[in-house]
Amino acid sequence: SQKIEQNSEALNIQEGKTATLTCNYTNYSPAYLQWYRQDPGRGPVFLLLIRENEKEKRKERLKVTFDTTLKQSLFHITASQPADSATYLCALTMDSNYQLIWGAGTKLIIKP
Amino acid sequence: GAGVSQSPSNKVTEKGKDVELRCDPISGHTALYWYRQSLGQGLEFLIYFQGNSAPDKSGLPSDRFSAERTGGSVSTLTIQRTQQEDSAVYLCASSTLAGVAETQYFGPGTRLLVL
Repeated sequence: SQKIEQNSEALNIQEGKTATLTCNYTNYSPAYLQWYRQDPGRGPVFLLLIRENEKEKRKERLKVTFDTTLKQSLFHITASQPADSATYLCALTMDSNYQLIWGAGTKLIIKP
Repeated sequence: GAGVSQSPSNKVTEKGKDVELRCDPISGHTALYWYRQSLGQGLEFLIYFQGNSAPDKSGLPSDRFSAERTGGSVSTLTIQRTQQEDSAVYLCASSTLAGVAETQYFGPGTRLLVL
């Protein structure tokens, strides 16, 4: 079955630097891969979606890449700010299934 | 506009008791999802409703879990004879459609603790 792996260790980044988070999946490539942000005590909030045939997607300071050869998506936050500190989740879905398969998330800490 | 709301925000119950968790989706959203999130784990799909179609219950972990969605809007997740392993955050999400690329909008969750 499809599995998603995200680094379970917290990622500490100095303010102003670029934070890069990794999402690896097993088996076959998903049709869509999404990234969400989750703050403590809150539900996830959608950030970006990237399709199987897209290599890169950008939104303001955020960038997502999708490498079907490596079976990996990278999530970048440039010019990081303390307010970017949160847990970031990736989720994928296959073409024929509306269900999302979720990673456990990576906690990002931006230090001032 | 109003987002997805859930109640209660926290629930402490004794083992063996029944609990009901409520979700109010965003108005007009036809798709509704329930997930369970345990500490350090990814979101676990429980059940999905789409309009008047039969719900997809494939993620319910046991027959102690059930859910209803009345009038295509409010949904209730019921856990009967709660067990300690049911302790988790229960999240509800809604989306405009059930398409694979539809953004899901989440509520704040209900934190359930079974003693």
